[in-house]
Amino acid sequence: SQTIHQWPATLVQPVGSPLSLECTVEGTSNPNLYWYRQAAGRGLQLLFYSVGIGQISSEVPQNLSASRPQDRQFILSSKKLLLSDSGFYLCAWSGSWAGSGYTFGSGTRLTVV
Amino acid sequence: AQSVTQPDIHITVSEGASLELRCNYSYGATPYLFWYVQSPGQGLQLLLKYFSGDTLVQGIKGFEAEFKRSQSSFNLRKPSVHWSDAAEYFCAQAGTALIFGKGTTLSVSS
Repeated sequence: SQTIHQWPATLVQPVGSPLSLECTVEGTSNPNLYWYRQAAGRGLQLLFYSVGIGQISSEVPQNLSASRPQDRQFILSSKKLLLSDSGFYLCAWSGSWAGSGYTFGSGTRLTVV
Repeated sequence: AQSVTQPDIHITVSEGASLELRCNYSYGATPYLFWYVQSPGQGLQLLLKYFSGDTLVQGIKGFEAEFKRSQSSFNLRKPSVHWSDAAEYFCAQAGTALIFGKGTTLSVSS
C-alpha cells in the first residue's frame, strides 16, 4: 500500500535561518507531489506542485522553494525564514488523473521566532 | 480562476442533531469534488469524493454529500452528529492540484 512520510513533525526556527522539510512517498511510482501551507484562519494554500523529477510549479511567489531530486521525494526549502513563514505545512501525493485521490502527510508545525 | 467557497466559518450543532456543511465550487462542467476532515494538529482525512454518476455520495463515518450542478454546490451532511465529529471540514476541487475552501469549524455541544 502507498504511504507518505513527512518530517519533522514540529520545528522552531529563528528568523533568518534556513529551512528544509522533507516528504517521501512509498508504494507508488511517478506520483504528483504537492506542498500546502495552512495558516490560522486561512485554509490550505497550495505552494508548489510537481508532476515529475526536477519539475516544479510555484503557485505563490515567496521566499520558499521546492525541489524534487528523486521520483518520490519532495523537499521544501528556504534560505532565510520570515516570521510570516510560520504555519502548518502539509505534503500530499496523487496519481496523474485529476480525480484520483489525494493523500496527505501528517504535517509539520513550523514556528518562526 | 478556480475557487471553492465554504460560506460558514464556524457551526455549532447539538449532539444527535443533523448537520449540513455548505460548499460551492466555481469551475468546470464535470468537477471532481472532495470533502476532507482535519482534527486539531493532524493531517487531512478524506471523507468522500465525487467524480460522476449518482449525485448522492456516501462516505466514511456516516457522512454523505449531494452534488447539485444547478447550484454549483456539494454540501456535506450527517443525520446524527457525534461529539467526535468536532473538527475542521474542508471542501476541495481538483484541477491541476487540489484547491480548498477556507474550511468550516464544527463544534458539537452536549
